[in-house]
Amino acid sequence: GAGVSQSPSNKVTEKGKDVELRCDPISGHTALYWYRQSLGQGLEFLIYFQGNSAPDKSGLPSDRFSAERTGGSVSTLTIQRTQQEDSAVYLCASSAGHPPLHFGNGTRLTVT
Amino acid sequence: GQQLNQSPQSMFIQEGEDVSMNCTSSSIFNTWLWYKQDPGEGPVLLIALYKAGELTSNGRLTAQFGITRKDSFLNISASIPSDVGIYFCAGQVTAGGTSYGKLTFGQGTILTVHP
Repeated sequence: GAGVSQSPSNKVTEKGKDVELRCDPISGHTALYWYRQSLGQGLEFLIYFQGNSAPDKSGLPSDRFSAERTGGSVSTLTIQRTQQEDSAVYLCASSAGHPPLHFGNGTRLTVT
Repeated sequence: GQQLNQSPQSMFIQEGEDVSMNCTSSSIFNTWLWYKQDPGEGPVLLIALYKAGELTSNGRLTAQFGITRKDSFLNISASIPSDVGIYFCAGQVTAGGTSYGKLTFGQGTILTVHP
């Protein structure tokens, strides 16, 4: 498709389990971003990729969060030992190296 | 860190009315963006502003990049039911090529339009 694709769209997991969230950016977009949106809140920056490297990881809330990008395309956000406060919508966005950002529909993560 | 104050938090209007919302910041931004988010979807770009003082329209939407670079507003004229959703402002600062695209978002304005 032409837009940013995220999977799964919904994920329910038990506290303490690890989860992987996937993002397929728009073809040819060199920049990729992960944001988190908690209920009723604005978007919180997590990490930014330029190609396969991440020059800005300043938004990752703890060392349980990590992300990688391969082939300058697909990115995976991994949350280890999930906690209830990790419950949120995780949004991926891509751009051609400059604004604007184009967002996917997000993965709604629920930690029980 | 940088924070954006977006107001109002919510608005309830009648179809056909005009709407205005704004964002202010304590810091300067190089780019202002306005997004709309429908339930269960990601934010969709409405208008992008790249220059202080810039006034840009997109159909019934008009947005301006404040002269001080610390504020922006979005106006919607003659609202219709499909305008319902959450509107976010976002500001971006470039600094030597790093953190490019790292947007700071406002808290959102929830718009309800009564037919």
